[in-house]
Amino acid sequence: AQKITQTQPGMFVQEKEAVTLDCTYDTSDPSYGLFWYKQPSSGEMIFLIYQGSYDQQNATEGRYSLNFQKARKSANLVISASQLGDSAMYFCAMREHSNDYKLSFGAGTTVTVRA
Amino acid sequence: DAMVIQNPRYQVTQFGKPVTLSCSQTLNHNVMYWYQQKSSQAPKLLFHYYDKDFNNEADTPDNFQSRRPNTSFCFLDIRSPGLGDAAMYLCATSRDHGDPHTQYFGPGTRLTVL
Repeated sequence: AQKITQTQPGMFVQEKEAVTLDCTYDTSDPSYGLFWYKQPSSGEMIFLIYQGSYDQQNATEGRYSLNFQKARKSANLVISASQLGDSAMYFCAMREHSNDYKLSFGAGTTVTVRA
Repeated sequence: DAMVIQNPRYQVTQFGKPVTLSCSQTLNHNVMYWYQQKSSQAPKLLFHYYDKDFNNEADTPDNFQSRRPNTSFCFLDIRSPGLGDAAMYLCATSRDHGDPHTQYFGPGTRLTVL
């Protein structure tokens, strides 16, 4: 069964606007972590933001915020004030405590920022 | 800056000719990973090292081997590359203690098999 689901294969967003990337996950482990990575066309996977399953507040890192809805098992990434350099593939990933070193990745969402 | 470095960034090899990809890190992380990523797909974990302990994924072909001579370096050996092995190969590191075990990736090596 798919552990991470990203339903949006591609999105267009206007420069300076906000964009929300959807991510839902499936686990029975009460302890887990959720990650978002950005992968530009150059190929490097860049860590953006982390949310722990026990964290009470939504994670934020600069223009990135994670909308964590635990009951719905969703961990959407919000990018505010989009920039042209935000054009990339974005991956949602999960690490379960019971599988400590392994990341389960979603299929990714391609974001294209238009000027 | 502490980082994960991969060499070369681009590698071209011939069908069946062994190739070695290199990864080094200055983060002093004790866990190192190798991923294969094909076009428009998510990365696929091949194996990882926890210190010197090697952990192979069940579906990683025998054609792929790895060596970790010390904490800083890890190598991916492809013994007889096939056309289907053309992909981006990503190295990542993490530390084993304290949350969140974030994996930090290198820039990748793009492998072409002729």
